[in-house]
Amino acid sequence: GENVEQHPSTLSVQEGDSAVIKCTYSDSASNYFPWYKQELGKRPQLIIDIRSNVGEKKDQRIAVTLNKTAKHFSLHITETQPEDSAVYFCAAASGNTGKLIFGQGTTLQVKP
Amino acid sequence: GAGVSQSPRYKVAKRGQDVALRCDPISGHVSLFWYQQALGQGPEFLTYFQNEAQLDKSGLPSDRFFAERPEGSVSTLKIQRTQQEDSAVYLCASSLAFGGPVFYEQYFGPGTRLTVT
Repeated sequence: GENVEQHPSTLSVQEGDSAVIKCTYSDSASNYFPWYKQELGKRPQLIIDIRSNVGEKKDQRIAVTLNKTAKHFSLHITETQPEDSAVYFCAAASGNTGKLIFGQGTTLQVKP
Repeated sequence: GAGVSQSPRYKVAKRGQDVALRCDPISGHVSLFWYQQALGQGPEFLTYFQNEAQLDKSGLPSDRFFAERPEGSVSTLKIQRTQQEDSAVYLCASSLAFGGPVFYEQYFGPGTRLTVT
C-alpha cells in the first residue's frame, strides 16, 4: 500500500525566514497531495493541496511543489511568523475512495 | 456554514467497556472518513463511507471496531471491549466527493480523545 515519508521531524527557524518540509510517497497512482496544519489539541486544518496534473501551487506565503517522476512533494512557507508554529502533515491520496495516507508530521517552531 | 462536529470531545473508559463516538459531517458531504491519531503521530485511516455504504474498512485494527452511517449523514464509530492500546484521538472527516479521479478536500472534525484506563 501507499507509504508517505516526511522530514524533517522538527524545524526551528527565525521569524521572517523560510521553512521547507519535504515528503516522498511510494504509490505512483497517488494523484492528490494535501497539507494540513495542526495546532496543539486542535483539528487538522487544510492549508493547501495540489493535484498530480500541476507542478506548483501558491497561496500567499505558502507554496507546494510536486515532482511526480521522483515521487516527492514539498511545502514552502516564506516570511514565517510566530503563528505559523504548529505541526504540519503531508498526505497522499489515491484510488476511488480518496483515503489519505499521512506522513509522520513536522513540528515547526518560529522564533520571534 | 457549520463544520464537522464530533461528540463527545473527551471520553474516559475503563478497560473492557464499550464506547460509541459520533460524527456529524458537513451537510451535503457524501464521503465520510474515520482516522485514528496516536500521540505525536499522523492520522491513520480506519474506514470510509460513501453515503450509507461502507466501501473501505481496511484500516480497522480489529473486529472490536465497528462503524456505521445508516442514513448517509451522521456516523458512529463503536469500539467494543476497549483496550489500553485503543487510547488515541479519533478524527472524522467529510468531503463532497464520491470517488472517481477527482479529489475533493477533506475537512476534519475536532476529534474525540479516548483514554482507556
